[in-house]
Amino acid sequence: AQTVTQSQPEMSVQEAETVTLSCTYDTSESDYYLFWYKQPPSRQMILVIRQEAYKQQNATENRFSVNFQKAAKSFSLKISDSQLGDAAMYFCALSLNQGGKLIFGQGTELSVKP
Amino acid sequence: DAGVIQSPRHEVTEMGQEVTLRCKLISGHNSLFWYRQTMMRGLELLIYFNNNVPIDDSGMPEDRFSAKMPNASFSTLKIQPSEPRDSAVYFCASSLKRKGETQYFGPGTRLLVL
Repeated sequence: AQTVTQSQPEMSVQEAETVTLSCTYDTSESDYYLFWYKQPPSRQMILVIRQEAYKQQNATENRFSVNFQKAAKSFSLKISDSQLGDAAMYFCALSLNQGGKLIFGQGTELSVKP
Repeated sequence: DAGVIQSPRHEVTEMGQEVTLRCKLISGHNSLFWYRQTMMRGLELLIYFNNNVPIDDSGMPEDRFSAKMPNASFSTLKIQPSEPRDSAVYFCASSLKRKGETQYFGPGTRLLVL
């Protein structure tokens, strides 16, 4: 069975600082995709970043980047220059080649202090 | 282009009543996913469709739940009869039917069963 684990229920960061959210996963498949979604208080699920497992290069999207360690099955999210609008619940998710359904971690609630 | 549309946004009903949640896919998308979010179980897949055909309904809790895609752009999730433990936020998401494609989520329906 595939699992996704986020070991940090809550994290806090000072505005303009950098924070890293952790995620580990388990799958026996070699072809899969990893995602980080953001869920602000509005509850809307918003894609932050996407990574193909076959690509060694870490994905980046503006202030957001990942550290993808395939051998360790680790997929952490780094947020640089944190902004108040980054405060939200962040979910790590795994999608296998077959099917396409998302398997979510438990989430990490990020607060940003002004 | 409009995103995924869900209705109603909020639903309060009494135990035993029938509840119907609705979802309109993003134009051109051909995969549809229904997820449920609760504090206890997090985000979990209920069912998903490819090209209007149900592919995996293993997450549907029991026979009280049913989902349909009467056409390529619309889906319903029905609960009959509803129970208090069905209280949750229900999301639908759509994507293109290609491996690893990003799923775009609707705003969710918050269901409260009294």
